[in-house]
Amino acid sequence: QVQLVQSGAEVMQPGASVKVSCKASGYTFTTYYIHWIRQAPGQGLEWMGMINPSGDSTSHAQKFQGRVTMTRDTSTSTVYMELSSLRSEDTAVYYCAREIFSGGSNWFDPWGQGTLVTVSS
Amino acid sequence: ETVLTQSPATLSLSPGERATLSCRASQSVGTYLGWYQQKAGQAPRLLIYDATHRATGIPARFSGSGSETDFTLTISNLEPEDFAVYYCQQRSNWPPLTFGGGTKVEIK
Repeated sequence: QVQLVQSGAEVMQPGASVKVSCKASGYTFTTYYIHWIRQAPGQGLEWMGMINPSGDSTSHAQKFQGRVTMTRDTSTSTVYMELSSLRSEDTAVYYCAREIFSGGSNWFDPWGQGTLVTVSS
Repeated sequence: ETVLTQSPATLSLSPGERATLSCRASQSVGTYLGWYQQKAGQAPRLLIYDATHRATGIPARFSGSGSETDFTLTISNLEPEDFAVYYCQQRSNWPPLTFGGGTKVEIK
């Protein structure tokens, strides 16, 4: 079955960078775009950006301009999201999610299990 | 950026009742609106996409309607497992893709 498995929880210092991984299985990795969405404690969902695992093209929310980098490794079917210059407001659960249709449908299912990133000194 | 406003914030109902959730967009999104369910401690799950289409494996008691700026998710005959938080999301005007603030359906 289609599955996305994310890396474990992280505790980071303000100003540091964090890199979260998302390993895909159960389908052809390069066929479906993968998105990153985060959720601050007790809050709603916030879209961060997406990557096309086939061509490595990306798109992201303006809010994260200059701070977010999304990459992929086709040899391991893994995508990565790196967020730099961390501040306390970046404390959240970070999810990766695959599109339901190939070619850019922007509807997400399944999702990874989530990675809690805590930014604290 | 397209802002999605969900109402009510909380809906208190009993099992077997009908739930009606609203999502209003700040500008037209056509029918490019979806709904997700999130249970405590879990990742969201897609219920409805393109306003009216049920995602794979979603029971028929979940239905979506609407277009342009006003959308509704209806859950007929609430089951115990349906008590959760529901989010709408638009894909018409992006980036960014945006989500509503959520509606919590709780047991009365």
